[in-house]
Amino acid sequence: AQSVTQLDSQVPVFEEAPVELRCNYSSSVSVYLFWYVQYPNQGLQLLLKYLSGSTLVESINGFEAEFNKSQTSFHLRKPSVHISDTAEYFCAVSNQAGTALIFGKGTTLSVSS
Amino acid sequence: DTEVTQTPKHLVMGMTNKKSLKCEQHMGHRAMYWYKQKAKKPPELMFVYSYEKLSINESVPSRFSPECPNSSLLNLHLHALQPEDSALYLCASKRGGAWGEKLFFGSGTQLSVL
Repeated sequence: AQSVTQLDSQVPVFEEAPVELRCNYSSSVSVYLFWYVQYPNQGLQLLLKYLSGSTLVESINGFEAEFNKSQTSFHLRKPSVHISDTAEYFCAVSNQAGTALIFGKGTTLSVSS
Repeated sequence: DTEVTQTPKHLVMGMTNKKSLKCEQHMGHRAMYWYKQKAKKPPELMFVYSYEKLSINESVPSRFSPECPNSSLLNLHLHALQPEDSALYLCASKRGGAWGEKLFFGSGTQLSVL
């Protein structure tokens, strides 16, 4: 069965500092991996996804994630964070049938000045 | 229109009440989902509708009853809920088919059961 583990429940950082949110996955088949962001009192928004091809995927707001098959990881990075990046971040993997997403427990990113 | 609209945004109900949550999208998506999210927890899948047919029920108690009257609407009927059912209920949709497609989420209905 597919699963994801987010290694950090909370990540506090200062504005303009780099950040890495860690995600490891477990799957016996090819995977589709996702990062979703949830701002307070809102639903989830897709940040980026890995389906195949280039192992480095980027979002439009400066985040990037690298798929590493040997380490079964899909860590999310940003070289310089803003206050507005404060949110809950969820790593997710598609289930084997490809019909639903399985979410990790989430990482709270708190950016302060 | 690239939104999934959920109503109401907030709902307070007693354990003997019957209420319904509504979800609407006009993107032509043929897969629609109900997720339940407790505070500080990830969303948990409840139901999946594919082409207006229930395709996944994640062993959800019968006090939750989904309905998909047409390709744009998804309802969740609630009856005899328990206080532990208090949570954020999220609706989501995608075009259908493979998982390369983006899943669009609504803002959710915050449900409190007294």
